[in-house]
Amino acid sequence: ETGVTQSPTHLIKTRGQQVTLRCSSQSGHNTVSWYQQALGQGPQFIFQYYREEENGRGNFPPRFSGLQFPNYSSELNVNALELDDSALYLCASSSTGTGGPPGELFFGEGSRLTVL
Amino acid sequence: AQSVTQPDIHITVSEGASLELRCNYSYGATPYLFWYVQSPGQGLQLLLKYFSGDTLVQGIKGFEAEFKRSQSSFNLRKPSVHWSDAAEYFCAVRDSSYKLIFGSGTRLLVRP
Repeated sequence: ETGVTQSPTHLIKTRGQQVTLRCSSQSGHNTVSWYQQALGQGPQFIFQYYREEENGRGNFPPRFSGLQFPNYSSELNVNALELDDSALYLCASSSTGTGGPPGELFFGEGSRLTVL
Repeated sequence: AQSVTQPDIHITVSEGASLELRCNYSYGATPYLFWYVQSPGQGLQLLLKYFSGDTLVQGIKGFEAEFKRSQSSFNLRKPSVHWSDAAEYFCAVRDSSYKLIFGSGTRLLVRP
């Protein structure tokens, strides 16, 4: 069983640039969510995708956007980067079905973004 | 609004000593509660979870946690800490739909 993989693991950008982060979900999982973890803080929910549609969003501006593809992999795009966007970006996948408790989230190791 | 509080930013224990990490949550309905561990430069690994039923839940690596509704708490415990347990620990609550709300974390340091 392949786990959640993210790329790139590290990257450096400058203010105003755009970045795309990628995530391959665990086999059999149909839901992907993204979290931002600033240094010294807990992860914060950005948004979630289920069957290629965004079905939940946290308190992040529209310059944070995403995609989910038919194979359930996902991208996180951030436009007009700001210094405060420097963080570890975590992707998590899960299996959403009908009824019962929400599926367990499996996290990737993250993409560390530094904005200069 | 839902929230999670981890009142201890850092905790230092000696190897072999017992451990308790505190977590308090604010959530109107029956919460789904989790503890995750994060080693430096790593993602999050699930230690244990509570959905319903027995309020004492067992997890991996010898960890357990007890759900106390009256105290809105979900404290993590381990009877004997190993040096490899040094890491950041996050408590989280998940609502009935999707997102996890994390606490700010507790960094565990283990003295040899």
